[in-house]
Formats: sequence, C-alpha cells, structure tokens
Amino acid sequence: EDQVTQSPEALRLQEGESSSLNCSYTVSGLRGLFWYRQDPGKGPEFLFTLYSAGEEKEKERLKATLTKKESFLHITAPKPEDSATYLCAVRPLGGYSTLTFGKGTMLLVSP
Amino acid sequence: EAGVTQFPSHSVIEKGQTVTLRCDPISGHDNLYWYRRVMGKEIKFLLHFVKESKQDESGMPNNRFLAERTGGTYSTLKVQPAELEDSGVYFCASAKTEGHEQYFGPGTRLTVT
Repeated sequence: EDQVTQSPEALRLQEGESSSLNCSYTVSGLRGLFWYRQDPGKGPEFLFTLYSAGEEKEKERLKATLTKKESFLHITAPKPEDSATYLCAVRPLGGYSTLTFGKGTMLLVSP
Repeated sequence: EAGVTQFPSHSVIEKGQTVTLRCDPISGHDNLYWYRRVMGKEIKFLLHFVKESKQDESGMPNNRFLAERTGGTYSTLKVQPAELEDSGVYFCASAKTEGHEQYFGPGTRLTVT
C-alpha cells in the first residue's frame, strides 16, 4: 500500500531561520511527487511536481528536492507569510492519477 | 482564470439527512477529483471523473455516497443518509489532463450532528 509520512508534524521558526521539511514515501513506483501549501480554511495550493530522483525545483524561498525514498522542502530565510501547512502527495505508477497525501507539516514563522 | 469553486462552504446537518455538495472545476479541465479530510487524518481520495465518466471510484466509502458529473462540467456529491463519521472537509480538484497537477477548491466543511 502506498504510504506518505511527513515530518515534523509542526515546526516553529524565527523569521530568517532556514530549515527543511521531510516527506518519506513508499510506493510500488513513482509517477510524480507533489508539494502543496494549505492556508487555514482554504484548499491546497499547488507548489511543485517532481518526477525523478535528483530533480530539484525552486520558487521564491522554497526549493524541493527528490531522492528515491524521500523529498525535502527547503525554506530559505522564511518570512511570516510562509506560515502554512505544507502537504506532500505521491502519484504511483500504474493505476489512475489519484494522489496519496501525507498528513502535512504545520509551519509557523514568527517575526 | 477562475479557480475551482465549491458550494456550500459549510453545511451542518443531522444524522439521517441528505446533503449535496457541488464543485465547479476550472474551465476546460476534463479531470475532476473528489477528496475528503477527516479531522486528524490525511486527505484521502474518493473518486475521479474524466469528463462525465467515472474513471476511478475506489475511494468511495460506501453506497451512501453518490457522485455525478452531468455533461462533463460541474459535479455533485450526495450523501444520503448522512452518518456522524461523514463529517469532514470535502475537497474537489481539477486537472487539464491526468498527468498534470491538480488544482483544489476551497472545500466544503460538512458537520453531521
């Protein structure tokens, strides 16, 4: 069974304090790994798709990387507006295009 | 370009009643997905439409849930009769093709009392 585990569950940072969020996954084969950001009361907002080990993508202060077993979301010099829950999801090879999500990491950046 | 919209944003019903949730996908997106997040758990897949056809409904909990997508445009998800364990946030997402990223709506928070 496909499984996604995110750590830590919650993370508190000071503004400017860089850190990384982890997403470990177990799938029979990976067709894509997705990172989403979710603000309270809103739906997940798409950030990145990674397809193969070694791939990296960047957007502003965020950088996502992928290995064969896990993905990291690196946050460089975060700002309070980066506070949100970050969700990781995988799409396995074969089957259809549904996503399997982790529970997310709740990030709070204090000024 | 308008995003995915869902209606209502909140619904509070009593056990045994019926509720219908609506999702309007992004225009031109043939793929429409329903997901649900129960408190304390991860977002879980319910079903997937390609145009008006059900591609995958393996995540539907039981036959109290009925999803439709008439004409391949908006979709409805009906819960009848509702049970306490149906409470949660129901998300709809759409994608241009199966291989593309999915864009989510704001969700409908359903509370069954």
